[in-house]
Amino acid sequence: SAVISQKPSRDICQRGTSLTIQCQVDSQVTMMFWYRQQPGQSLTLIATANQGSEATYESGFVIDKFPISRPNLTFSTLTVSNMSPEDSSIYLCSVLQGRGYTFGSGTRLTVV
Amino acid sequence: GENVEQHPSTLSVQEGDSAVIKCTYSDSASNYFPWYKQELGKRPQLIIDIRSNVGEKKDQRIAVTLNKTAKHFSLHITETQPEDSAVYFCAASIWGNQFYFGTGTSLTVIP
Repeated sequence: SAVISQKPSRDICQRGTSLTIQCQVDSQVTMMFWYRQQPGQSLTLIATANQGSEATYESGFVIDKFPISRPNLTFSTLTVSNMSPEDSSIYLCSVLQGRGYTFGSGTRLTVV
Repeated sequence: GENVEQHPSTLSVQEGDSAVIKCTYSDSASNYFPWYKQELGKRPQLIIDIRSNVGEKKDQRIAVTLNKTAKHFSLHITETQPEDSAVYFCAASIWGNQFYFGTGTSLTVIP
């Protein structure tokens, strides 16, 4: 299965600032997904990122708040903009490859 | 879009007993149903999956059943061990597209 490197693994940020999370895959993949997992909760899909096109956002998530880049088939970034404490969560990237979906190790974000 | 419901939210079993977690889905077009195990502080890990062309799949102590007519699928863990303690998530998807998670089941295996 794909090896996904995600960074940073954790960060503590001031409210009003932005954080960019990077996701690097060891092989080319068509689709990458970004999820959010709030404390003690399930995983919620933020958006699907295809190379060469705009990301597709799920209901409740907008591009201005969570801009995504997908410059090539092995890399993507998710930015959490103008952060507030409600953005404190774990953010995970995921790819579909072979047997199924594989997740990155996650970014634990705390906004103070 | 797809709506996945999962029950129970918490489950405690004695070591050696069986555990069953159930999920229902709403989109009849969904054809791929994975189960993930998430240990505290770690990423979700795929433990078993089933596609819509089969009704049951087994991998050692873990099995998954699927009833397409009723739109529900279940995870069965037999001979539970303390290391099975984790949060389990079901998911439903149309293969190749985004997938939707259930709300999770926190399983505790009591030694």
